[in-house]
Amino acid sequence: SAVISQKPSRDICQRGTSLTIQCQVDSQVTMMFWYRQQPGQSLTLIATANQGSEATYESGFVIDKFPISRPNLTFSTLTVSNMSPEDSSIYLCSGAGQVNTEAFFGQGTRLTVV
Amino acid sequence: RKEVEQDPGPFNVPEGATVAFNCTYSNSASQSFFWYRQDCRKEPKLLMSVYSSGNEDGRFTAQLNRASQYISLLIRDSKLSDSATYLCVVPPGPHKLIFGTGTRLQVFP
Repeated sequence: SAVISQKPSRDICQRGTSLTIQCQVDSQVTMMFWYRQQPGQSLTLIATANQGSEATYESGFVIDKFPISRPNLTFSTLTVSNMSPEDSSIYLCSGAGQVNTEAFFGQGTRLTVV
Repeated sequence: RKEVEQDPGPFNVPEGATVAFNCTYSNSASQSFFWYRQDCRKEPKLLMSVYSSGNEDGRFTAQLNRASQYISLLIRDSKLSDSATYLCVVPPGPHKLIFGTGTRLQVFP
């Protein structure tokens, strides 16, 4: 399986600011995803990052709040915009080589908004 | 009905016990199934894939029941190191992965 490097690993941000999280995969992957995990809960899919086109967002998530880029098959960013304390969470990126195959994860970004 | 539902936890079991988790899914067209393990404050990691014929890896056995739309994970001879949250993953289609809520396992001495 590929290795995903995600950064930053954690950050404390002021409300109203934005944070961009980066994920770099050590090999080309077909699909990349962004998840959010609230404390004590499971992963919620935010969006699928599409290479060279707009991301596909899940219900409840919008591009203005969570803009995503994926300029190539090995790199993606997620921005959490105009942050509020409710955005405090762990954000995880993942990649999958083929459809219907398992995904592997970055180490996660622990975000605290104050 | 949620896309993926898991047994509520936590499961507290002694070392050496056998424990089983179930996960039900709503999309009958799902083709692939996985169990992930997530340790506290870590990212999820693949534990095993679930094949139609079942899958065994050491102390871990995964089963698929398409008729009833559930997958199961059996852990035999539990170890302290098995303490974690176990997440089932059922892709509803080829382009996204949906995680269950997770089942927390605590193995005690």
